[in-house]
Amino acid sequence: GAVVSQHPSRVICKSGTSVKIECRSLDFQATTMFWYRQFPKQSLMLMATSNEGSKATYEQGVEKDKFLINHASLTLSTLTVTSAHPEDSSFYICSASLDTGELFFGEGSRLTVL
Amino acid sequence: QQQVKQSPQSLIVQKGGISIINCAYENTAFDYFPWYQQFPGKGPALLIAIRPDVSEKKEGRFTISFNKSAKQFSLHIMDSQPGDSATYFCAASLNFNKFYFGSGTKLNVKP
Repeated sequence: GAVVSQHPSRVICKSGTSVKIECRSLDFQATTMFWYRQFPKQSLMLMATSNEGSKATYEQGVEKDKFLINHASLTLSTLTVTSAHPEDSSFYICSASLDTGELFFGEGSRLTVL
Repeated sequence: QQQVKQSPQSLIVQKGGISIINCAYENTAFDYFPWYQQFPGKGPALLIAIRPDVSEKKEGRFTISFNKSAKQFSLHIMDSQPGDSATYFCAASLNFNKFYFGSGTKLNVKP
């Protein structure tokens, strides 16, 4: 299957700082990438759809200014959590789809805000 | 409204047994139904997927059964192994534009 790489896998930051998470499609070009948030023992919650070269589409209830998404190239999308607070602590997962539509996920990034 | 409902929430199966996880969906326009396997601390991995024009798809020990009229699909894991212990998510998609995930099933296969 296709490989989606996510970095960092774990990050700890202080409250009020910003954190950037990168998502790369290693062996294919991804026009569309998706960002999810997952709370412990819960399902994946779609945060936004990231399209290369255009603004991301955010799901209802997701703060655009808090979660900045940039899809600058066909292989890279980034999620920046701005002015992070403890309630932003979560597992963030990106995914990318092939031309066939199959969805492949990154390994996830565990964010802990102190 | 929850687009995809998954059950059971948790499942315990003896080694060698059959694990069955069920999902039901709302939107009859969904055209792609994948299953994902997730281990703790890892991202989900695509396990197997089916389109609504077939009633069954088998890959190794994993089988998807699809009932279009009932708007239901299920994952069967034959000869379940302790290494299959993970959380399984079903999903449904329309034109691959957005994926709706079930709530997940935590499977524990006892040795």
